[in-house]
Amino acid sequence: DQQVKQNSPSLSVQEGRISILNCDYTNSMFDYFLWYKKYPAEGPTFLISISSIKDKNEDGRFTVFLNKSAKHLSLHIVPSQPGDSAVYFCHQTGANNLFFGTGTRLTVIP
Amino acid sequence: KAGVTQTPRYLIKTRGQQVTLSCSPISGHRSVSWYQQTPGQGLQFLFEYFSETQRNKGNFPGRFSGRQFSNSRSEMNVSTLELGDSALYLCASRPTGPDNSPLHFGNGTRLTVT
Repeated sequence: DQQVKQNSPSLSVQEGRISILNCDYTNSMFDYFLWYKKYPAEGPTFLISISSIKDKNEDGRFTVFLNKSAKHLSLHIVPSQPGDSAVYFCHQTGANNLFFGTGTRLTVIP
Repeated sequence: KAGVTQTPRYLIKTRGQQVTLSCSPISGHRSVSWYQQTPGQGLQFLFEYFSETQRNKGNFPGRFSGRQFSNSRSEMNVSTLELGDSALYLCASRPTGPDNSPLHFGNGTRLTVT
C-alpha cells in the first residue's frame, strides 16, 4: 500500500508563474518530510525539508507547506524557471522509514 | 568529497540470468539504501543497510538481495531476472545521525532485461 501519494503525475507551468506540487500521506507516525528533484539520467537531489513541528519552511524560491490535519504537504516554486523542469519526489522519513511518492513531472514552459 | 558512485551505469541481461550492482557511498556515510525506479511507480524502496546489517526492507521478492561490506560499500543482487526487473536502480547513502538526514543518491544503474 502506497503510504505517500503524489496524485498528479505531471504539471506544466509558464515561466515566471507559481508551480504547486502536492503530496498526501497516510501514516502520521513519521513526522519529517523531504522533497527531492530528479533530472533524467541523474539521481535525485535533496531540495527542501519540513518537520511536523512547523507548517511552513522556505528556502529562496522554494516553500513547503505542511497541513497535518489533512495529512497533506505541498511544494511551491515561485517564480518557476525552465531549469526547474524535472521530476519531484516527496519523501516521508523517520524511524528508518524510507517511503517515496510516485513523483510529479514538472515542465516549465519558457 | 566524492559523491555516491554506482557501477556499472548500464547493463543488459537476459531473462533467467543474475546480476550484481555495486554502490560506493560518500566517505563516512554508513547507511546505504537501494531503490528501483520504473515509469509510473516512483522510487520503490528495496532495502537499507547500516554497519553491514540490513535494517529495513521493502516489499520485493527474495530474488532481490543485498549486502554491505565493512567499508560501507554495498552490492545488490537480482537472481533469475524477469522482464519486469528492467528499471533504473538507485543507491543512496546518508551519514550516521538522525534518520531525517537527506539521502545522497548516485546516478543509478540502468538495467535492461531482454
